[in-house]
Amino acid sequence: EPEVTQTPSHQVTQMGQEVILRCVPISNHLYFYWYRQILGQKVEFLVSFYNNEISEKSEIFDDQFSVERPDGSNFTLKIRSTKLEDSAMYFCASSATGPNQPQHFGDGTRLSIL
Amino acid sequence: GENVEQHPSTLSVQEGDSAVIKCTYSDSASNYFPWYKQELGKRPQLIIDIRSNVGEKKDQRIAVTLNKTAKHFSLHITETQPEDSAVYFCAAIDTGGSYIPTFGRGTSLIVHP
Repeated sequence: EPEVTQTPSHQVTQMGQEVILRCVPISNHLYFYWYRQILGQKVEFLVSFYNNEISEKSEIFDDQFSVERPDGSNFTLKIRSTKLEDSAMYFCASSATGPNQPQHFGDGTRLSIL
Repeated sequence: GENVEQHPSTLSVQEGDSAVIKCTYSDSASNYFPWYKQELGKRPQLIIDIRSNVGEKKDQRIAVTLNKTAKHFSLHITETQPEDSAVYFCAAIDTGGSYIPTFGRGTSLIVHP
C-alpha cells in the first residue's frame, strides 16, 4: 500500500535557525497537508495545499511558515527563525481529492529546537 | 471557528469489554467526521469516518454514530483487544466551507489483558 513518507524522522536545530521538513505524498493524491502535534496534545492543522497553492491555513501558520512543492513529488514545510515553542511532531498528510476524503499521514518529523 | 470536545481523556477497559468515545462539535456546517488511531510514537491512522448524510457506520468491531441535531458523534469499539490500546482522535470538517479539520484532544484507550 502506498504511503506518505517524511524526512528526516528527527531534526534538532538551534533557535533562530531555519528548518525544512520534507514530505513525499502518495503519488496520485492532489491535496497535501501539514499538521503539528505538540507532545501529549492534539493534532493541529497548519495548512492545506492544492494545485500549487495554499488552500487553507490556520492561525498557527503565520509568516514564519511557508510551504512549497518544488517538484512533482516533494512537499516541503519551511520554518524560518525557529522558536523554542516550534518543538513538536510535524505530520504531513495527503488525500486523493479534497478534505472530504480520507487523509493518509506520514510517520512525522520530530522537531527539537534548542 | 469549530470547536471539538472529546471525552473521556482516558479510558481503561478489560479485554473483551466495549469502549465508547464521544465527541461534540459546535459548527453545524461540519459534515465529515473521521476517527484516527495513534499508537505511541506512530502516525495517526484513519480507522473509520462518517458523513452527515448517514447516522451510523460499522466496520467489523468498530462503529461510529452521528447525531446531527445534538452535534455529537461517538466511536464504539466492541470486543476490545490489547492491540486496540492507543490514543484515538476525532475530527470535524466542513467540506463545503473552511475545509479546516478540527481535532479533539484525544482519548487514551488502555485495554487490559
